[in-house]
Amino acid sequence: GAGVSQTPSNKVTEKGKYVELRCDPISGHTALYWYRQSLGQGPEFLIYFQGTGAADDSGLPNDRFFAVRPEGSVSTLKIQRTERGDSAVYLCASSLRAVNTEAFFGQGTRLTVV
Amino acid sequence: SQELEQSPQSLIVQEGKNLTINCTSSKTLYGLYWYKQKYGEGLIFLMMLQKGGEEKSHEKITAKLDEKKQQSSLHITASQPSHAGIYLCGAVTGTASKLTFGTGTRLQVTL
Repeated sequence: GAGVSQTPSNKVTEKGKYVELRCDPISGHTALYWYRQSLGQGPEFLIYFQGTGAADDSGLPNDRFFAVRPEGSVSTLKIQRTERGDSAVYLCASSLRAVNTEAFFGQGTRLTVV
Repeated sequence: SQELEQSPQSLIVQEGKNLTINCTSSKTLYGLYWYKQKYGEGLIFLMMLQKGGEEKSHEKITAKLDEKKQQSSLHITASQPSHAGIYLCGAVTGTASKLTFGTGTRLQVTL
C-alpha cells in the first residue's frame, strides 16, 4: 500500500481480555516502530524492529505486552490481560532504514479497555 | 532520559499571521523531527533536521535546528486554517532510532 496501515482503527475490549493490533508498513521499509499515545500527550516509544528482530524493546511497559514481526514486514502488537490503563492510541511507524531517515506513521488503533 | 519541552502548549492565531513554535531538549540533539497531527489521526511527517544550523522549508513552514541551544523552532508564515492541528517535535535519542516526543503544541487558526 501507499502508506502504513493499521488495523483495526478502533478496538473496544473488556478488562482482562487479550488483544492483537496489526501494522502493515510501507513496502521495503526495514525499520518498524510501535508507539503509544495517551490523550494530550506525545507518542511514547514501545518497541523497534530492524527486519524480523526486536532491536529495542525497552519501551514495553511490562510483560503483558509483546510484539512480533516474523517475516520482516507485518507486525503484531499483543496485549495480554488488558487493563483500563492500557487504553490509548497505538501508533505504528516505518522507515526505510533505522537511522536518520523519515519515519512514516499509520493512523493508529484506538484501544479502549472497559 | 531525554525530555522535550514545547512552547507554547497552545496557540490561537488569526489567518494570515505568522507564528513560531519552539522545542527545547534536556540533552544534546542528534536529530529532530517535526510532525503534524490532527485529532484522531496519525502523524504527518513535516521535516527532519540533522545538523546544527540546518534550516529546511516546505511551502510556508520553516524549521531550524540550533544544536548549541538544544533547540528547534518551527515557523509558519501567513497561517491558514489548513495549518490547524497539533505540532509535535521528536528527537533522536543518541544512536538509537527511537524518537522521544514533546507533548505537542495545539494550533488554532481563526478566520
